[in-house]
Amino acid sequence: NAGVTQTPKFQVLKTGQSMTLQCAQDMNHEYMSWYRQDPGMGLRLIHYSVGAGITDQGEVPNGYNVSRSTTEDFPLRLLSAAPSQTSVYFCASSYDGGVSPYEQYFGPGTRLTVT
Amino acid sequence: TQLLEQSPQFLSIQEGENLTVYCNSSSVFSSLQWYRQEPGEGPVLLVTVVTGGEVKKLKRLTFQFGDARKDSSLHITAAQPGDTGLYLCAGPTGNQFYFGTGTSLTVIP
Repeated sequence: NAGVTQTPKFQVLKTGQSMTLQCAQDMNHEYMSWYRQDPGMGLRLIHYSVGAGITDQGEVPNGYNVSRSTTEDFPLRLLSAAPSQTSVYFCASSYDGGVSPYEQYFGPGTRLTVT
Repeated sequence: TQLLEQSPQFLSIQEGENLTVYCNSSSVFSSLQWYRQEPGEGPVLLVTVVTGGEVKKLKRLTFQFGDARKDSSLHITAAQPGDTGLYLCAGPTGNQFYFGTGTSLTVIP
């Protein structure tokens, strides 16, 4: 099993450009999520999905879109990149515990710089 | 405002010393998890604590969940350079996971 994979590993964008960060998992997990990690802030939830066709907003959703057409894939779209979106982005997946998600498995991250 | 606050934010100690990292919240959690993250990688789960007052041990690491399920601690005995990393606590509220601010630990040989 590859676990959770993310592409690209590094990306530089100019302000106003759009792009999609890819995330895939092969563990048949229902729950998937996107986080951004900034110094001194820990990880903050951007969007999450409890299954194919279902997505919802996290703590910091503005400027990002997601979709979940399959169980395996959960892409994150930046609509119009801004310097404030410079960060490291992590995708994670876990079993859906029903009441709350279980332990999460993380991808290796995408380091995004917006100039 | 962070739902989970960790302290200290940074910790630099000599090999062989003991240390404790704290994770506090004003909210009750059904469970709390501790992750360890190394530079350039994603966090990796260390342990999940579920019951108030629960203590779990993982070799030299001891994790405790507060009786009221609002806080947790991680104690490392005789720290080793391999323990160096970012330690994060995390807990679910409904379908959302909240992470603490993180404790960056450096163990000096």
